[in-house]
Amino acid sequence: DVKVTQSSRYLVKRTGEKVFLECVQDMDHENMFWYRQDPGLGLRLIYFSYDVKMKEKGDIPEGYSVSREKKERFSLILESASTNQTSMYLCASSQRRSSGNTIYFGEGSWLTVV
Amino acid sequence: SQQGEEDPQALSIQEGENATMNCSYKTSINNLQWYRQNSGRGLVHLILIRSNEREKHSGRLRVTLDTSKKSSSLLITASRAADTASYFCASISSGSARQLTFGSGTQLTVLP
Repeated sequence: DVKVTQSSRYLVKRTGEKVFLECVQDMDHENMFWYRQDPGLGLRLIYFSYDVKMKEKGDIPEGYSVSREKKERFSLILESASTNQTSMYLCASSQRRSSGNTIYFGEGSWLTVV
Repeated sequence: SQQGEEDPQALSIQEGENATMNCSYKTSINNLQWYRQNSGRGLVHLILIRSNEREKHSGRLRVTLDTSKKSSSLLITASRAADTASYFCASISSGSARQLTFGSGTQLTVLP
């Protein structure tokens, strides 16, 4: 069974803290993604990676960075958390092929910045 | 920017009725997908329809695609209370092979 695991389900962090959200997939997928989901805004792509050490900005990369040192792991980093980054964060992965990509999602990480 | 926009934003029906959700998108696509999200959980892939297909079925799900109108619909027949969830359409635009762009979703409530 395919699995995308997000290490933290619920986090509460203070403004200005550095936050790491970790994601691991066990399907040997090349592509990995970080989305945030907010009420009324749907899912918005923050960053994605299509290979180890490769990353590309999504629609809303400001305030975030990512790290992909190993194929199975994709980390989202908030260098200095702010209250407007309170949200649900979803990690996902997919195979490399260019069409018909099904994306597999983790269960989500609820981040509250106070 | 949102590539896909679902309509309606919320839908409430009785168990046994059919539920229809619509999605519009803006640019040419390779394929369009529908996902389901239970409250507070991740998204689960339901069905994919390619740009050269007009209709696809999977169990109680029926998806249509009209590329001339840049729209798709998801029909759930004989709905059950367990179908209560948010439903999202997502598309891969022709110019971007890797990114799925999601709409804001339809919240479906099926009343027992």
